[in-house]
Amino acid sequence: GAGVSQSPSNKVTEKGKDVELRCDPISGHTALYWYRQSLGQGLEFLIYFQGNSAPDKSGLPSDRFSAERTGGSVSTLTIQRTQQEDSAVYLCASSPTGTAYEQYFGPGTRLTVT
Amino acid sequence: AQKITQTQPGMFVQEKEAVTLDCTYDTSDPSYGLFWYKQPSSGEMIFLIYQGSYDQQNATEGRYSLNFQKARKSANLVISASQLGDSAMYFCAMREKPSGFGNEKLTFGTGTRLTIIP
Repeated sequence: GAGVSQSPSNKVTEKGKDVELRCDPISGHTALYWYRQSLGQGLEFLIYFQGNSAPDKSGLPSDRFSAERTGGSVSTLTIQRTQQEDSAVYLCASSPTGTAYEQYFGPGTRLTVT
Repeated sequence: AQKITQTQPGMFVQEKEAVTLDCTYDTSDPSYGLFWYKQPSSGEMIFLIYQGSYDQQNATEGRYSLNFQKARKSANLVISASQLGDSAMYFCAMREKPSGFGNEKLTFGTGTRLTIIP
């Protein structure tokens, strides 16, 4: 079956603009995670959804970052007033149960803020 | 403080040799899990192997095995008979379960770039 998909695969934006990143999880997966990977770094947890609710938003780096999930499926990560330090690869993962063992990752969106 | 430490930023290994990638961790939670992921140049994170803190035996998955030393808080990945296709970034990660939540999130190390030499 289809894996986790993310769009766009690459995004170049000017500093100060807003961007939206999309994640389509594996069908039926109730849990969805967003991570950020800066150049040469490991993954940094951003936010977690169980269904449409986000019980853990602890990783969002600032109030410029927000995320939503609708219909228990697609999720959108929005970054407002982008800064150069937001440049990174944003990875989405989904899980059927919310158990870390079963996280399946998408290919990521590479965001470049100029 | 770093919860996952990978001290080898890069390694070069001859094809067919075994390689050990180091990972140490820090947690006070008695229940935790340790993962290794492979990230090829395509960018996708590929799950390799998992070790639970209560597992009695070291995890193995094909050519991958995890050398789990709980007292030393280390969880090194061993790849036997390395292949050219093993060239990638390798990340160690730890599962934590924050109190009050049902979810479990992963904390990642900074990774080791493994290059297999023909």
